[in-house]
Amino acid sequence: QVQLVQSGAEVKKPGSSVKVSCEASGGILSSYPISWVRQAPGQGLEWMGRIIPMFDITNYAQTFQDRLRITADKSTNTVYMELTSLESDDTALYYCAKSFGELFPFDSWGQGTLVTVSS
Amino acid sequence: DIVMTQSPDSLAVSLGERATINCKSSQSVLYGSDNKNYLTWYQQKPRQPPKVLISWASTRESGVPDRFSGSGSGTEFTLTISSLQAEDVAVYYCQQHYSSTITFGGGTKVEIK
Repeated sequence: QVQLVQSGAEVKKPGSSVKVSCEASGGILSSYPISWVRQAPGQGLEWMGRIIPMFDITNYAQTFQDRLRITADKSTNTVYMELTSLESDDTALYYCAKSFGELFPFDSWGQGTLVTVSS
Repeated sequence: DIVMTQSPDSLAVSLGERATINCKSSQSVLYGSDNKNYLTWYQQKPRQPPKVLISWASTRESGVPDRFSGSGSGTEFTLTISSLQAEDVAVYYCQQHYSSTITFGGGTKVEIK
């Protein structure tokens, strides 16, 4: 059973960038697509993008196309989400989530990483 | 992108009564080659990540109580809680994974009346 463990909370200034990690334990991360989903305070779930680590294939939601980068380090079973040009609206809980395949449900989630953007 | 529209936004149901949540997709999520609806229902309790309740529109996940059921096909789906329990207070989301761009419904908050 793959478990996903994310890095800790971050506080960032507007205009800066944040990089959040998601490490897999109990399995080989590269075998599965990993998505990033965010949830603003009191709001719903928003899919941001995914990576298939085995092939380094990524696809991003149109909303984030210009400022989101998802990468994977297969040697450490870790996926990274980097979001640039942060604004206050980017304040949210960011989750990584694993699926069995590209068109499968998310069967495992990280614990979430709170990113706060404030001047 | 496929737009997922849930209704209602919230509902309050008495303990032991039925709760029904609807989800409509802007285009069909039924995949012709395997005849599966690429539609999942998640439950999210406060301060927890979402958890899969129902996958492929109607397949209950292992360990999920049988009071939860999913139905529908194509563009219209329903999650039913047949007899609401206190532990079912949560927000419920539908999600389509038919398209490589995944989208969620806006969520339905279920409370006890």
